[in-house]
Amino acid sequence: DAGITQSPRHKVTETGTPVTLRCHQTENHRYMYWYRQDPGHGLRLIHYSYGVKDTDKGEVSDGYSVSRSKTEDFLLTLESATSSQTSVYFCAISQRGRQETQYFGPGTRLLVL
Amino acid sequence: GQNIDQPTEMTATEGAIVQINCTYQTSGFNGLFWYQQHAGEAPTFLSYNVLDGLEEKGRFSSFLSRSKGYSYLLLKELQMKDSASYLCAVREAGSARQLTFGSGTQLTVLP
Repeated sequence: DAGITQSPRHKVTETGTPVTLRCHQTENHRYMYWYRQDPGHGLRLIHYSYGVKDTDKGEVSDGYSVSRSKTEDFLLTLESATSSQTSVYFCAISQRGRQETQYFGPGTRLLVL
Repeated sequence: GQNIDQPTEMTATEGAIVQINCTYQTSGFNGLFWYQQHAGEAPTFLSYNVLDGLEEKGRFSSFLSRSKGYSYLLLKELQMKDSASYLCAVREAGSARQLTFGSGTQLTVLP
C-alpha cells in the first residue's frame, strides 16, 4: 500500500469557519490530488499538484484553495466552509510513468453545520 | 469533457460470475482504470487498460474496446468480500493526468 495519510480523519465545523485538511505521503510521488466524494456524483477532482508550488484547478475548485510547499505534503483549505462542502475528501498520489496509477489515502469525513 | 456511465447497482450470488459494464465518451482517450471501494474506505486500484483487449489478474479481468468506448470488469468465483462499489475512471489525453470517475456500481454478493 502507498504510504498516504490524511488528517484529520473526521471533522465537524460550523459554517463560515476556515478548515484545512492535510495529505502526507512517504512515497516521494510527484503528483498529488484532492477529490471529494458525494452520493450520486462519484469522485470529483478539486485541485491537483504536479510538483512543489505547482498546482492547478480541477472540476469543482470553487471555494477551495491548496498549497504544496514540500513534496510530501498537500494541503486543502476551505476558506469559509459552507454546508455544501460537507463531504468525504480523498487525497491521491501518482508517479510519472506509463500508467501513473493514482493511489488513495484513507479519506477525511467533513461535516459543516 | 467526458461522460462515464455504469449501472448503479448489481446483485449476484456467491460463487457466480458478474460483469460490470462501463461506457464512456471522450475527445481523447489515454487509459481506463477500475477501482474497488468498500463502504467507508478508500478506493483501491484493481486494473488498468490502455489497449484493446482483456487484462487478467486472478479472479478479476478487465476488457477494453476503444472504438466502442466500452469496458467491463469481470469478477469470477464471487466471494462475500467482493461486495463493494466498483468505480470506472477514464484519463483523457492531454488532461494533465486527471481522471474522470463514473458514479460507481454497488455490487452486493448474496450467499
